[in-house]
Amino acid sequence: QVQLQESGPGLVKPSETLSLTCTVSGGSMNNEYWSWIRQSPGNGLEWIAYVHYSGKTNYNFSLKSRVIISIDTSKNQFSLKLNSVTAADMAVYYCVRGAGWYADWGQGTLVTVSS
Amino acid sequence: QSALTQPASVSGSPGQSITISCTGTSSDVGAYNYVSWYQQHPGKVPKLMIYDVNYRPSGVSNRFSGSKSGNTASLTISGLQAEDEADYYCNSYTGGSTSYVFGTGTKVTVL
Repeated sequence: QVQLQESGPGLVKPSETLSLTCTVSGGSMNNEYWSWIRQSPGNGLEWIAYVHYSGKTNYNFSLKSRVIISIDTSKNQFSLKLNSVTAADMAVYYCVRGAGWYADWGQGTLVTVSS
Repeated sequence: QSALTQPASVSGSPGQSITISCTGTSSDVGAYNYVSWYQQHPGKVPKLMIYDVNYRPSGVSNRFSGSKSGNTASLTISGLQAEDEADYYCNSYTGGSTSYVFGTGTKVTVL
């Protein structure tokens, strides 16, 4: 069972870019998919995107125009960038192992959008 | 892609069995055997309880079981215990541009 830890600013201004990194420990990133999922009070859980260790990506269509997910296996990290944030993007962001079902989750990081 | 539909709440007495439904469409739940279920206690991280409709990860109690019929998946909790009180979410592959969609969530209360 791998451990995942999110890091990044907890406060982002409206219209700016949210950037988060997930550091994976206790296992290899190889041959795995890695996802970002968020949870807001109004919208429940929402899958954002996944990246395969090979670099293949897939995005939630509703967010695709604003999201970039990337991976750096040499650092055991993968990252999320979400641009042009609004209040609707305020949520707890989780990094997770998997695509389709998610057995390992980070603790989550709360991102507030406010000026 | 709309969220999968779950009842807002389900309750039961200790020892009873309850079933939580997760209704989608012929494009998601009905089309693929890629439904998973998550348990989330307040302030905690979601925990995988069922994957691929009816498979339990190691360590998950066999009181939890999953099934699917048509466009509706179900999670059954048998022998309900106080520790089962939590929110439960389903998730399904959609095959479309959204790829994966969660359910609206169900709060389980143990009376």
